[in-house]
Amino acid sequence: KAGVTQTPRYLIKTRGQQVTLSCSPISGHRSVSWYQQTPGQGLQFLFEYFSETQRNKGNFPGRFSGRQFSNSRSEMNVSTLELGDSALYLCASSLGGVTYEQYFGPGTRLTVT
Amino acid sequence: EDKVVQSPLSLVVHEGDTVTLNCSYEVTNFRSLLWYKQEKKAPTFLFMLTSSGIEKKSGRLSSILDKKELSSILNITATQTGDSAIYLCAVEASRNNDMRFGAGTRLTVKP
Repeated sequence: KAGVTQTPRYLIKTRGQQVTLSCSPISGHRSVSWYQQTPGQGLQFLFEYFSETQRNKGNFPGRFSGRQFSNSRSEMNVSTLELGDSALYLCASSLGGVTYEQYFGPGTRLTVT
Repeated sequence: EDKVVQSPLSLVVHEGDTVTLNCSYEVTNFRSLLWYKQEKKAPTFLFMLTSSGIEKKSGRLSSILDKKELSSILNITATQTGDSAIYLCAVEASRNNDMRFGAGTRLTVKP
């Protein structure tokens, strides 16, 4: 079956702009989690959605938000971009949540200039 | 503040060696600990541990959790070059439903 897909794969934005990233989970998976990966901070958990509801949230400012649609596809939005938001954004899907076996997508590489 | 510490940060071994990677944590209301392997792309799930003392095994990889010592180890026996990767440990805390990742251990297996 098809894996987790993320679009776009690469993105360049300027400070102050906003960006929306998309994640399509594996068919049948109801949980989608988002992560930020940077060389300095490593992998950090952003939030998790399950059946259109945000269930878990990491320690990120309110500029980072997300949503999940009825087909389990999820979007993540970052407003008022800062240089420090440059990172690889990964999403992962699972049947039940972060403590189930998660399958990661290839990521979206965001560069903020 | 919740934290997850992995050691060593980097390890170089030769094929056939056995390695032990460590993960220690300080989190409020521990829920589970997870191990991931990350090569050039996204992490792949290895194990999830919730109970102390129960070893999880998958081929040459095994892992165990010690809740008394607030730690976990990941063992890889008879290492192969394909085991070269960054191994990440993550801990889920139920207090604020957060997941914290360690910095990872970069394992290099030489032929």
